[in-house]
Amino acid sequence: DVKVTQSSRYLVKRTGEKVFLECVQDMDHENMFWYRQDPGLGLRLIYFSYDVKMKEKGDIPEGYSVSREKKERFSLILESASTNQTSMYLCASSFPGRETQYFGPGTRLLVL
Amino acid sequence: TQLLEQSPQFLSIQEGENLTVYCNSSSVFSSLQWYRQEPGEGPVLLVTVVTGGEVKKLKRLTFQFGDARKDSSLHITAAQPGDTGLYLCAEFKAAGNKLTFGGGTRVLVKP
Repeated sequence: DVKVTQSSRYLVKRTGEKVFLECVQDMDHENMFWYRQDPGLGLRLIYFSYDVKMKEKGDIPEGYSVSREKKERFSLILESASTNQTSMYLCASSFPGRETQYFGPGTRLLVL
Repeated sequence: TQLLEQSPQFLSIQEGENLTVYCNSSSVFSSLQWYRQEPGEGPVLLVTVVTGGEVKKLKRLTFQFGDARKDSSLHITAAQPGDTGLYLCAEFKAAGNKLTFGGGTRVLVKP
C-alpha cells in the first residue's frame, strides 16, 4: 500500500521562527512535491524535486526553501515564518512521467 | 499559466439527490484529473480523462471531458454522505510532471 507521511498534522509557530516540514514516501518515487492549500485557491505548487539533491521552483516559492538529501525524504523550510504562511501544506510523490501523484495527509500550520 | 475554474464553490444537497460540478479552462487541457479530498486527508485521484468527448464511470460518479478539451464535469447520482468532500480538478502536463489545480468544489451531502 502506497504511503506518504508528513511529520506533523498540526503545528503552531510564532512569526520569525524557522519551521521544518518533513515528508517521507515509501514507494521509491523519484518525484516529490510541496503544495500549499488555501480555501478557494486549490493547491498551489511551492517546490518540487526530480531526484536527490535536485530542486525546482514551483509557482509560489517565495519565503520557502527545500531540501532533498535522500530519495524518500523531502523537507520544506520556512526560514522566517510569517502570518501569511498560515495554511495547509501537502506533500506528494510520483514516478517520472506518471500522472498519478500520491498525497500525504497534510500539515495544518498556524503562524501567530 | 492556465487557469482552471471550478463551479460551484460550494454545494449542499440531501442524500439521494444528484449533483454536477464543473471545471473550465481558458485553454485546451492536455490531460485532466479529478481528485476527492476528505476532511483531514490529502487528495485522492478518482479518474484521468485524456480524449475529447470521453466519458468515464466510477460507480455512481460519471466524468465527462468536453469535445474541445476545455471543460469537464463530474456528475454524482443518488449522492450519499460518504460523497462529502472537496472535489478538485487538475491538469497534468507531462513536460515537468506537474499538476495545476482548480479552486475546488466543496460538496456536503446531508443524511
